[in-house]
Amino acid sequence: DTGVSQDPRHKITKRGQNVTFRCDPISEHNRLYWYRQTLGQGPEFLTYFQNEAQLEKSRLLSDRFSAERPKGSFSTLEIQRTEQGDSAMYLCASSFRQLEAFFGQGTRLTVV
Amino acid sequence: AQSVTQPDIHITVSEGASLELRCNYSYGATPYLFWYVQSPGQGLQLLLKYFSGDTLVQGIKGFEAEFKRSQSSFNLRKPSVHWSDAAEYFCAVGARDSSYKLIFGSGTRLLVRP
Repeated sequence: DTGVSQDPRHKITKRGQNVTFRCDPISEHNRLYWYRQTLGQGPEFLTYFQNEAQLEKSRLLSDRFSAERPKGSFSTLEIQRTEQGDSAMYLCASSFRQLEAFFGQGTRLTVV
Repeated sequence: AQSVTQPDIHITVSEGASLELRCNYSYGATPYLFWYVQSPGQGLQLLLKYFSGDTLVQGIKGFEAEFKRSQSSFNLRKPSVHWSDAAEYFCAVGARDSSYKLIFGSGTRLLVRP
């Protein structure tokens, strides 16, 4: 088990472009979470999947954001028409019965 | 609403000195409490957790934390700090009735003097 994997680690994009991030959770973890972390702040919850079902979305997740988890395995987070305010670290975490969440290394997004 | 307060933005200690990082939470029922550590540009690593039972919990790297219900606190401690402990520390609260999603404090940056 190699832990939670996120790809890419870094992404630089021009304002207005679409970006997609991928998260591969620890195998057999049924819960998957996305968080966003801006500089100097703690991570903030974005959305949550149990298996393939997206059960909760934060108000932080505007209409430009969409997340999927087909077949309850990996997950993708897409941001359409990126804005400079989207620049942040996007963290993925997974968990199972032990309740504690294991985090990936994150994807650092810079919108120029 | 759940919230977590870490009152210290920065803390500087000398190597070998003891450490205590403060965390206060707000939640109606007994929450699940966590401490995570983050090195620059990296993800978060779980140091320790409290779900129930013994209020003094031991974690990795020699860290421990004590849950005090009366003070709504979950402070992190280490008896002797090593230079490699320099990092950002986050306290977090989660609960069963909120899908176990985590609410984080704003973090405390630990600097270690040689």
